[in-house]
Amino acid sequence: KAGVTQTPRYLIKTRGQQVTLSCSPISGHRSVSWYQQTPGQGLQFLFEYFSETQRNKGNFPGRFSGRQFSNSRSEMNVSTLELGDSALYLCASRGGDYGYTFGSGTRLTVV
Amino acid sequence: QQQVKQSPQSLIVQKGGISIINCAYENTAFDYFPWYQQFPGKGPALLIAIRPDVSEKKEGRFTISFNKSAKQFSLHIMDSQPGDSATYFCAASGPLRDDKIIFGKGTRLHILP
Repeated sequence: KAGVTQTPRYLIKTRGQQVTLSCSPISGHRSVSWYQQTPGQGLQFLFEYFSETQRNKGNFPGRFSGRQFSNSRSEMNVSTLELGDSALYLCASRGGDYGYTFGSGTRLTVV
Repeated sequence: QQQVKQSPQSLIVQKGGISIINCAYENTAFDYFPWYQQFPGKGPALLIAIRPDVSEKKEGRFTISFNKSAKQFSLHIMDSQPGDSATYFCAASGPLRDDKIIFGKGTRLHILP
């Protein structure tokens, strides 16, 4: 079965701009989580959506937001980009068990 | 209390040797402890996981040892191979299926050929 698909794979944006990242989970998975990965901080939890509702939220500013559609696809948005937002953004879907299946991520560079 | 502390940050092991990565946690409500393996350009992939009702779990060359009283767990890679060179993350999650997974900061493992 198809894995978790994230688009785009790479993005370059300018400070102050906004960006939208997309994630298609494994078919049948209703939970989608987003993580930010940086060399210094590791994997930091952003938020989780389940059946179109935000179920968990990490400690990120309000510039980071997300949503989930009825087909379980999810998007995350970052507004007013800062240099420090440069990171690999990972999406993970979860089915009936506890483990995550991650996508390959979107590499965001803010210049 | 939500942290998972992982060490070392980086590790170099000779081919055929044993690689050992350690993790510690504080939150006694955690009851699911997975390890993820990440290769460059890829997302992390679930490698092996354990629950606190057992002290050890083995899958092939990979073993998790779990010490509930010390709130520590470790990953042992036996007969380490160059293909094992990757970043490894330990993680922990609470008792509910929808609890988020908290990750350690990762260990970069390099196996010398």
